[in-house]
Amino acid sequence: NAGVTQTPKFRVLKTGQSMTLLCAQDMNHEYMYWYRQDPGMGLRLIHYSVGEGTTAKGEVPDGYNVSRLKKQNFLLGLESAAPSQTSVYFCASRLDGTDTQYFGPGTRLTVL
Amino acid sequence: DQQVKQNSPSLSVQEGRISILNCDYTNSMFDYFLWYKKYPAEGPTFLISISSIKDKNEDGRFTVFLNKSAKHLSLHIVPSQPGDSAVYFCAASSFGNEKLTFGTGTRLTIIP
Repeated sequence: NAGVTQTPKFRVLKTGQSMTLLCAQDMNHEYMYWYRQDPGMGLRLIHYSVGEGTTAKGEVPDGYNVSRLKKQNFLLGLESAAPSQTSVYFCASRLDGTDTQYFGPGTRLTVL
Repeated sequence: DQQVKQNSPSLSVQEGRISILNCDYTNSMFDYFLWYKKYPAEGPTFLISISSIKDKNEDGRFTVFLNKSAKHLSLHIVPSQPGDSAVYFCAASSFGNEKLTFGTGTRLTIIP
């Protein structure tokens, strides 16, 4: 099992550009999450999904969109990137009925 | 409002001694608590958890203590090893809530 994988690992964008981050999990987990990690802020939830075809807002959803067309994939989109979105993004997944989330390796995004 | 607080951003401990990482929470609905460990350039990995029906859970060198009346939990690592140098996040959830609330993390450095 690969667990949770994230693509790409690094990306540099210019202000106003768009991009999509891909998260994939092969553990058949129902729940998937997108977080951002910033210095001194811990992990903050952007959006999450409780199952295929569903999405919900987290703590810091503004400027991001998500889609969960397939159970194993959760996409995070930035339509018009801003320097404030410079961060490390982590995807996680969880099996229904459990509390433990399993994280991917992260994507380091820099917006110039 | 930070519902899960890790008031010590950093901690240095001599190899072989005990490391104690602390976490406080404000939401009395939280009933499950987790500790995650994060190395640089990697995603957080699950370390140990505790349910609110217990006051202690042990796994090898790692023990988590929960004091519900004080809304406080701590992670004890004994003996500390150089490989324990990492950032440790405390997280909490409540029954029926799909989300985890994370603290801001404590950077533990083990001094050889």
